[in-house]
Amino acid sequence: GAGVSQSPSNKVTEKGKDVELRCDPISGHTALYWYRQSLGQGLEFLIYFQGNSAPDKSGLPSDRFSAERTGGSVSTLTIQRTQQEDSAVYLCASSLQSSGSETQYFGPGTRLLVL
Amino acid sequence: AQSVSQHNHHVILSEAASLELGCNYSYGGTVNLFWYVQYPGQHLQLLLKYFSGDPLVKGIKGFEAEFIKSKFSFNLRKPSVQWSDTAEYFCAVTANSGNTPLVFGKGTRLSVIA
Repeated sequence: GAGVSQSPSNKVTEKGKDVELRCDPISGHTALYWYRQSLGQGLEFLIYFQGNSAPDKSGLPSDRFSAERTGGSVSTLTIQRTQQEDSAVYLCASSLQSSGSETQYFGPGTRLLVL
Repeated sequence: AQSVSQHNHHVILSEAASLELGCNYSYGGTVNLFWYVQYPGQHLQLLLKYFSGDPLVKGIKGFEAEFIKSKFSFNLRKPSVQWSDTAEYFCAVTANSGNTPLVFGKGTRLSVIA
């Protein structure tokens, strides 16, 4: 069956450019989460969606980061004016509901390198 | 806010050795606990989880974990590891109230040598 997919799988960009990362959750999953995995910081929560709304944006590291979700499905994470410290693997996960006991299913991630 | 500590950064074991990876969390309320695994080149996958009931939880591939509430711990165990268990293991917690994201530990890298 189809799992969570993310694109692109790898992205190299120059400092100061904007990037868009895409996540396709598992069909029927109402909750969608973005995390960032980096060497120094481990796995950090960024933002989550329940349907199209984002009740918790507390993990976004700065106002250069934004995300949206449309149609209760695909989500896009946008990083404006990228910095070298944004280099990381960006992971997307989805779950049937946003209850704390629900299993989150992860995608393969987008590896972002900012030069 | 919740936090998770994984005490071992890198563990090296021989095949057939027993495994125990430590995980402690910090949170005063009721929690849900998870162990995820990331095999080389693959994405994170769930090994097992605890949210209620029997505190000894069995997962895939022969793994188990025990929730000890008094110690705020959820250690992962496997009686006999295989080379294919080489991976990074992440302990994570969510609060049982409301909608909360996973809070992860820093991960433990397990290397199993033949």
